[in-house]
Amino acid sequence: GAVVSQHPSWVICKSGTSVKIECRSLDFQATTMFWYRQFPKQSLMLMATSNEGSKATYEQGVEKDKFLINHASLTLSTLTVTSAHPEDSSFYICSARRWGEGSEQYFGPGTRLTVT
Amino acid sequence: GNSVTQMEGPVTLSEEAFLTINCTYTATGYPSLFWYVQYPGEGLQLLLKATKADDKGSNKGFEATYRKETTSFHLEKGSVQVSDSAVYFCALSAYTGTASKLTFGTGTRLQVTL
Repeated sequence: GAVVSQHPSWVICKSGTSVKIECRSLDFQATTMFWYRQFPKQSLMLMATSNEGSKATYEQGVEKDKFLINHASLTLSTLTVTSAHPEDSSFYICSARRWGEGSEQYFGPGTRLTVT
Repeated sequence: GNSVTQMEGPVTLSEEAFLTINCTYTATGYPSLFWYVQYPGEGLQLLLKATKADDKGSNKGFEATYRKETTSFHLEKGSVQVSDSAVYFCALSAYTGTASKLTFGTGTRLQVTL
């Protein structure tokens, strides 16, 4: 298979604090990982694309200093929401692309972030 | 830019009913088209895909045909089951010059009852 995990599955944090979300490809090496944000009853919005060992490419309108992405290895990418505010509360989903498989992406189960 | 429009849900059907979920797209070039399914508490799973015009993707009784002339990729199943209850996302993948990215529709929730 091609399994992607996320940790934690849900997190509650206080306004002003930072929270880190991990995305791991469990049984394959992911050359590219993606981070999405999903609002209730809305589509997935691509936030950034990250390639192992290089800086992430952020979509227009996404604050790179607020949403820090690190792709340190071929199986792990992290998203850190810095100085979180209630408007950052959302469902964050990562996906990974396996080398040589074209455009197919494998998705994690998502992380529910609530900022109080 | 690229966009995907799919019918709003929820769609409620009785078991063994016929399912159609409409999906249309706008894209430059020649995108690949996908249907993803998200079961409760789980991540998105690829259901089927088509990479060029007139291709038909199929899996688990679901089918969708890539119609370039109508820019559509409607999802169909002849006889739904309760276990098909989930949220279905239509998506396209297009190369943007730097990477191949997915653009999603808003999702359609399907509820199948006995």
